[in-house]
Amino acid sequence: EAGVAQSPRYKIIEKRQSVAFWCNPISGHATLYWYQQILGQGPKLLIQFQNNGVVDDSQLPKDRFSAERLKGVDSTLKIQPAKLEDSAVYLCAIKGGLADTGELFFGEGSRLTVL
Amino acid sequence: GIQVEQSPPDLILQEGANSTLRCNFSDSVNNLQWFHQNPWGQLINLFYIPSGTKQNGRLSATTVATERYSLLYISSSQTTDSGVYFCRGGSNYKLTFGKGTLLTVNP
Repeated sequence: EAGVAQSPRYKIIEKRQSVAFWCNPISGHATLYWYQQILGQGPKLLIQFQNNGVVDDSQLPKDRFSAERLKGVDSTLKIQPAKLEDSAVYLCAIKGGLADTGELFFGEGSRLTVL
Repeated sequence: GIQVEQSPPDLILQEGANSTLRCNFSDSVNNLQWFHQNPWGQLINLFYIPSGTKQNGRLSATTVATERYSLLYISSSQTTDSGVYFCRGGSNYKLTFGKGTLLTVNP
């Protein structure tokens, strides 16, 4: 399986503070995703990158969320200022596999608690 | 976007029992994947199965794309199978996760 490292694994902040998450996939995967998973729900796509460019950010709350992908490899997701409803697990995924079939591989996620 | 309905939402089994989980899609699919989310929250790939049938040990999956559904079979369930099972499907760039099936396998 493709490797996707995420950090930090856990973060607790107070509302109105800022937070950043990092995603470090092994190189060679053009497509990268950030998902938000609220407890008890399925993951929701926040943003999809193709290399350095954004393919879909229609569900990203752009007034407080931002994301970038550096040199088509690593990516960061930032929330500023955080709200209580941002408490969730933030998942990074890459589209990979030898045949580039569209199969997704996820990192372990970053769990955010906003107090 | 495409709607994904998973059933049942919750399932409780005794160890050793078999089960079938289902995903229905509101539109055609050419990309479908099943995941198991373990108690620590990581999504583990089970199958990439846009059509046909695949088997991996006690698990198998079947997708009938023309009828817009996919099934995940778990045989001889074990306590380690507990967790949430998600399907993600759609076509091209429009893919969506279902809400999941929470499976509890009791010893």
